Amino acid sequence: DIVMTQTPLSSPVTLGQPASISCRSSQSLVHSDGNTYLSWLQQRPGQPPRLLIYKVSNRFSGVPDRFSGSGAGTDFTLKISRVEAEDVGVYYCMQIAQFPFTFGGGTKVEIK
Amino acid sequence: QVQLQESGPGLVKPSGTLSLTCAVSGGSISSNDWWSWVRQPPGKGLEWIGEIYHGGSTNYNPSLKSRVTISVDKSKNQVSLKLTSVTAADTAVYYCARAGYYSDGGGFAHFDYWGQGTLVTVSS
Repeated sequence: DIVMTQTPLSSPVTLGQPASISCRSSQSLVHSDGNTYLSWLQQRPGQPPRLLIYKVSNRFSGVPDRFSGSGAGTDFTLKISRVEAEDVGVYYCMQIAQFPFTFGGGTKVEIK
Repeated sequence: QVQLQESGPGLVKPSGTLSLTCAVSGGSISSNDWWSWVRQPPGKGLEWIGEIYHGGSTNYNPSLKSRVTISVDKSKNQVSLKLTSVTAADTAVYYCARAGYYSDGGGFAHFDYWGQGTLVTVSS
């Protein structure tokens, strides 16, 4: 299985300041079709996960443009340009390049 | 707006079978999408269980494959999950989720829609 490793485990951030989460995969996430299948999900307290970014950098419909994804191969980053109160929650990266699909352990974003 | 709603027993006895249904509304289960089950033990991370296409093609997590069956009922527009021989380790919130296909060049987006989830506790 592809192991997804996220850092940091927790990210205390001041409102209005940027936040960055890293995700590293144990194997390349480049699929045979040429696409790189890496998604970012947000899970607010008591809520189901919500898709933010798919295929590394594609922002899903309705997701604020303060969220951006980047990376290639095995190293990926989610950035929040200016953290707002509603961004509190746990963020997961997820690979869909190879079965079984696997998730990172999660990064908790909280307000300082 | 696609909506997913999981339902099923909240309590299952050890060695029993967990059976859940995901009702899809606002969209057809026969579209070019894949439908997955994902679970989350209380206070822990996410685990992918498996997926199905409306034609019946499935892919399962090898860690659960011997115990899992995912099926689709097109007439009811719903997806089902069966997990046999359950233990306390199977206690989790179970979500259904869609990998939507976007024909405008976006391809598949995993997972663009999620149900609210249903907590299943395995206990005698």
